[in-house]
Amino acid sequence: KQEVTQIPAALSVPEGENLVLNCSFTDSAIYNLQWFRQDPGKGLTSLLLIQSSQREQTSGRLNASLDKSSGRSTLYIAASQPGDSATYLCAVKGISSGSARQLTFGSGTQLTVLP
Amino acid sequence: NAGVMQNPRHLVRRRGQEARLRCSPMKGHSHVYWYRQLPEEGLKFMVYLQKENIIDESGMPKERFSAEFPKEGPSILRIQQVVRGDSAAYFCASSRSTTEVGEQFFGPGTRLTVL
Repeated sequence: KQEVTQIPAALSVPEGENLVLNCSFTDSAIYNLQWFRQDPGKGLTSLLLIQSSQREQTSGRLNASLDKSSGRSTLYIAASQPGDSATYLCAVKGISSGSARQLTFGSGTQLTVLP
Repeated sequence: NAGVMQNPRHLVRRRGQEARLRCSPMKGHSHVYWYRQLPEEGLKFMVYLQKENIIDESGMPKERFSAEFPKEGPSILRIQQVVRGDSAAYFCASSRSTTEVGEQFFGPGTRLTVL
């Protein structure tokens, strides 16, 4: 059974800092990995999707990497801003029978960027 | 091009009543997924449907919960005889692709409160 862990659970940084959020998963047989942002009381906004054949994806100040063999992904946020404050979720779509369609989510990292 | 739509956004029910949650997928998407986010927990997969078919319901509680995606109209998640433990945010996602690498797009969620 796939399990996804995100460390740290919460992070507080001053504005302007670069930061890294971590995600690990137990079963490396995945189709893709996705990073989402969730604001309080809101839905999920997809940030980056990395296919299993890819090593990284970039969008603006965000860069996500994937090391499938070690079961790890990182989300790098450059020059953080108060508007980046949110919960960041990592999710994987597994290949194993019974999980081919569903996403398995981590519990998230709650990020606060202080002005 | 509207995204995934869910209604109602907020729903309050008393114990023992029924809750009906609706999800309209993105235009051109025929695959729908329901996830539940309990307070202080991550999102958990519930069910995956295609038009008129339940494909994977491995995450659905065995009793009181049902889902459908009729030929016409939105997908419905139905919870009978709700209990306080059903209070959660329920998210719907949709995808276009029939391949496993297809991206899922999420709706804003329905927040169910059971009094």
